Amino acid sequence: AQKVTQAQTEISVVEKEDVTLDCVYETRDTTYYLFWYKQPPSGELVFLIRRNSFDEQNEISGRYSWNFQKSTSSFNFTITASQVVDSAVYFCALSEATGGFKTIFGAGTRLFVKA
Amino acid sequence: DTGVSQNPRHKITKRGQNVTFRCDPISEHNRLYWYRQTLGQGPEFLTYFQNEAQLEKSRLLSDRFSAERPKGSFSTLEIQRTEQGDSAMYLCASSLSQGSGNTIYFGEGSWLTVV
Repeated sequence: AQKVTQAQTEISVVEKEDVTLDCVYETRDTTYYLFWYKQPPSGELVFLIRRNSFDEQNEISGRYSWNFQKSTSSFNFTITASQVVDSAVYFCALSEATGGFKTIFGAGTRLFVKA
Repeated sequence: DTGVSQNPRHKITKRGQNVTFRCDPISEHNRLYWYRQTLGQGPEFLTYFQNEAQLEKSRLLSDRFSAERPKGSFSTLEIQRTEQGDSAMYLCASSLSQGSGNTIYFGEGSWLTVV
């Protein structure tokens, strides 16, 4: 069965600090996708990044970067030089082949960035 | 290219009444999903369609809930005999079944308050 755990409920940082959001997942599939979504106070879930299970290469996209490690079933997300506009709830999600590629979400991490 | 559209955005109803939400997915997307989100929680999967076929329903989708996608385009989610526990945001999302890593894109959600 697929499961996503985000152990951090809330994180508070000061602007310009780097912040890492943790995500641990469970799956029995070898083919799956991992995602991060952002939900600002306005409420709409916004897709940020996707990684497939066959590509563990970590990347940087602007101020976002992610660390995908299959050995520990983790998919952590880092925001560099955080800004007030980054304040939101961030969700990690998993989509696996056996589940028909439906996407399930973690409980989310609320990030507060203070000026 | 328009995004996922949901209406109504807000609905207040009395317990026992029926409500219906509509979702118009991104035009070329053949998959359509319904999720429910309550305060402080991540989106919970309810059901999804590929074209007009409903491929999976969650245990969360009680007999009072029914979803349709009659022509493989828009979808409706009806809740009959609403209960206070149905109060939540109902999210619709869509995706392509191939070629995009099953990345799902969300609408702005429909808030339901049952009084």
